[in-house]
Amino acid sequence: ETGVTQTPRHLVMGMTNKKSLKCEQHLGHNAMYWYKQSAKKPLELMFVYSLEERVENNSVPSRFSPECPNSSHLFLHLHTLQPEDSALYLCASSQSTGGGETQYFGPGTRLLVL
Amino acid sequence: GQNIDQPTEMTATEGAIVQINCTYQTSGFNGLFWYQQHAGEAPTFLSYNVLDGLEEKGRFSSFLSRSKGYSYLLLKELQMKDSASYLCAVRDAHPGRRALTFGSGTRLQVQP
Repeated sequence: ETGVTQTPRHLVMGMTNKKSLKCEQHLGHNAMYWYKQSAKKPLELMFVYSLEERVENNSVPSRFSPECPNSSHLFLHLHTLQPEDSALYLCASSQSTGGGETQYFGPGTRLLVL
Repeated sequence: GQNIDQPTEMTATEGAIVQINCTYQTSGFNGLFWYQQHAGEAPTFLSYNVLDGLEEKGRFSSFLSRSKGYSYLLLKELQMKDSASYLCAVRDAHPGRRALTFGSGTRLQVQP
């Protein structure tokens, strides 16, 4: 599925750096998601945006700050991260249909915090 | 909340059939999804079940029993390219909740 793109694909940053992850969906969907995938752990939901409004926030530390300027774009701003934040960050999008509502994932950004 | 269990690893032979089980305990239920994830790639959608029974899609089938909190993914005529992780995910029944809760995934290794 190439309808959801993410940049950068790989990122190495120090604990004092500030960086942003970008996600763009070309599917005409009205909801976007950030998930974190750590080694040997389930995908963990971080944030959900529906119609550009944050509707779910899964107790994520404030060093992660999402932004959804429009229905096609989603950002995750990172600052003063910790080494345990190293993981694969996946973006997904979906269209509300009243049932089903399959989520389509981007390729992810593999983040390493030194 | 949700709790989802699936085996960590499975091995099967090319051409064979393999069944990957998933059990869940939830405070509400509004559908179960199966995704395939190759190493270093995005999860890709395989199937969706919300009613009891079997959904067939080519070589892949998915079964759901809501009363037992149980699902399985059945892969037939296994191919080497089916080596991947298979993720079971459940949607909460809470109105307006759209996010999925994922299991840890089952890593399937297909051998010649």
